[in-house]
Amino acid sequence: NAGVTQTPKFRILKIGQSMTLQCAQDMNHNYMYWYRQDPGMGLKLIYYSVGAGITDKGEVPNGYNVSRSTTEDFPLRLELAAPSQTSVYFCASSGTSGRNEQFFGPGTRLTVL
Amino acid sequence: AQTVTQSQPEMSVQEAETVTLSCTYDTSENNYYLFWYKQPPSRQMILVIRQEAYKQQNATENRFSVNFQKAAKSFSLKISDSQLGDTAMYFCAFISGSARQLTFGSGTQLTVLP
Repeated sequence: NAGVTQTPKFRILKIGQSMTLQCAQDMNHNYMYWYRQDPGMGLKLIYYSVGAGITDKGEVPNGYNVSRSTTEDFPLRLELAAPSQTSVYFCASSGTSGRNEQFFGPGTRLTVL
Repeated sequence: AQTVTQSQPEMSVQEAETVTLSCTYDTSENNYYLFWYKQPPSRQMILVIRQEAYKQQNATENRFSVNFQKAAKSFSLKISDSQLGDTAMYFCAFISGSARQLTFGSGTQLTVLP
């Protein structure tokens, strides 16, 4: 099993550009999450999903959008990139709820210049 | 809102010795779950140990154990026989039984010295 995969691993964007961070899991997990990690800080939740077709905002959703059309995929869309969105982005999934272990992808390092 | 506090930004320990990382949390709920995650230089987040609040017995996983003090809202991680591969950032995390999202602390950077 691949677990949780994320693409790309690295990306540099110019201010105002848009992009989609891809996330996929092959564990048939219902719950999926997007976090951002700023230097020297813990993870902050951007959006999460409890199943296909259901998404909800986390702590820091502004400037991002998500969709969940399938159980496997949970892409994160950045519209009009800003320097404040420079961060490392992690996708995670868990089977039944956040009370169980969350499995993390390897992260995407995004720089907005 | 729940908060998780890790008051030790950095720690170091000699190889083969024991080290304890501190974590405190704030909640008004009685049913919740606590986690320690490890993030080595590879950046991959890895679950170290998990504790359910309703269980009085402290969780253990090989060289890793916790000291869970529910009344004090404290959840410390003890690493015995430290190894060079334990060098990583360690995050304490909390989720209440009614919530759907983890709250992370700011992390403790642990360095194991040879």
